[in-house]
Amino acid sequence: DAGVTQSPTHLIKTRGQHVTLRCSPISGHKSVSWYQQVLGQGPQFIFQYYEKEERGRGNFPDRFSARQFPNYSSELNVNALLLGDSALYLCASSTYNSPLHFGNGTRLTVT
Amino acid sequence: GQQLNQSPQSMFIQEGEDVSMNCTSSSIFNTWLWYKQDPGEGPVLLIALYKAGELTSNGRLTAQFGITRKDSFLNISASIPSDVGIYFCAGPPVSTQGGSEKLVFGKGTKLTVNP
Repeated sequence: DAGVTQSPTHLIKTRGQHVTLRCSPISGHKSVSWYQQVLGQGPQFIFQYYEKEERGRGNFPDRFSARQFPNYSSELNVNALLLGDSALYLCASSTYNSPLHFGNGTRLTVT
Repeated sequence: GQQLNQSPQSMFIQEGEDVSMNCTSSSIFNTWLWYKQDPGEGPVLLIALYKAGELTSNGRLTAQFGITRKDSFLNISASIPSDVGIYFCAGPPVSTQGGSEKLVFGKGTKLTVNP
């Protein structure tokens, strides 16, 4: 079975630009979560979506938004990029009461 | 906000040695998870703990859920070169809204194994 897949794997953007990251969960998983991992730190929770509804939001500004589609895939959008948004963005999926399974992430570099 | 204090930050050991790392929290947890992350990859779940006092093994790995529900440890026995990586503890604090998907992570323990 395919694991959580994320695209693109790497991305370079300029300050002020907008970025869209994509995630496909494990087949049968209806919940998708997004995490930001800055170099040298553990992942930080950004969003959780379940059945296309936002179920949780971390301490991130409104420049960060996400959505989940009927096939349970998800997009993370970040507007007005700042240098500090440079990080590894991880998507994770889960089914009811199961631990999170992470993808390999999208490495975003903002210059 | 909730924080997980993970120690040590890094470890340099010889192949064959045992390893122990731990995680403490200022908040009560109802689940403790241990993940390993290799360079360029996402975290991979190693062990999940669901009850205070629970001791669970996965091959050479053993983890325990502390009785106070505010700590956990991970042991690796007879380390091998492929154990190299960053180990994270994580969990959803009881006080957290949003269910089990909102995890708080430690800063990680970076393990280096010398052959």
